[in-house]
Amino acid sequence: GAGVSQSPRYKVTKRGQDVALRCDPISGHVSLYWYRQALGQGPEFLTYFNYEAQQDKSGLPNDRFSAERPEGSISTLTIQRTEQRDSAMYRCASSLEAGGISPLHFGNGTRLTVT
Amino acid sequence: EDKVVQSPLSLVVHEGDTVTLNCSYEVTNFRSLLWYKQEKKAPTFLFMLTSSGIEKKSGRLSSILDKKELFSILNITATQTGDSAVYLCAVESTLFGGNTPLVFGKGTRLSVIA
Repeated sequence: GAGVSQSPRYKVTKRGQDVALRCDPISGHVSLYWYRQALGQGPEFLTYFNYEAQQDKSGLPNDRFSAERPEGSISTLTIQRTEQRDSAMYRCASSLEAGGISPLHFGNGTRLTVT
Repeated sequence: EDKVVQSPLSLVVHEGDTVTLNCSYEVTNFRSLLWYKQEKKAPTFLFMLTSSGIEKKSGRLSSILDKKELFSILNITATQTGDSAVYLCAVESTLFGGNTPLVFGKGTRLSVIA
């Protein structure tokens, strides 16, 4: 597609429920990143993939968070047993090449609210 | 730990003014510094800087990197109300040839009033 597409745009869920956030990167982009952005802060790294391989998941807050990109294109970030502190804007970004050669392009994000 | 500090945190100017936004960083094995503009939605890419002293320019925006003093500035001349946004600075390091995720600053909120 023309840009990075994320869905849903907004998600309100009750504490304890699982949620799955979807990211469709720019077609042909090798690297896909997940970030979380709190109000008034810059994006905070969660995890990233080159093709289908998860390269780094050091930013995932705990084991309730997981991500996959099984075919090297669309990615899903899953949060199990959500807690109120998980409420944030979750942003996906993609880049054409791996290795930091090309800049990241961000999607519009999914705003998650856990009640 | 890698760190990016932006200043000022917020700035209010009148249309036509020139502004300079600052970004300083501490990062191991620096690879690149990037500037993004964030309005209501996604951060949009402005510049990627890898070499010291080479100015990148796009219209009224320009940016330069000083790798010795570990900072970058983003200049906007003849500001317009449409320039109102949060400007984010991010740095990337490299370790053993791989790329590492961007570390972002908190941003500078620029408000341009008519």
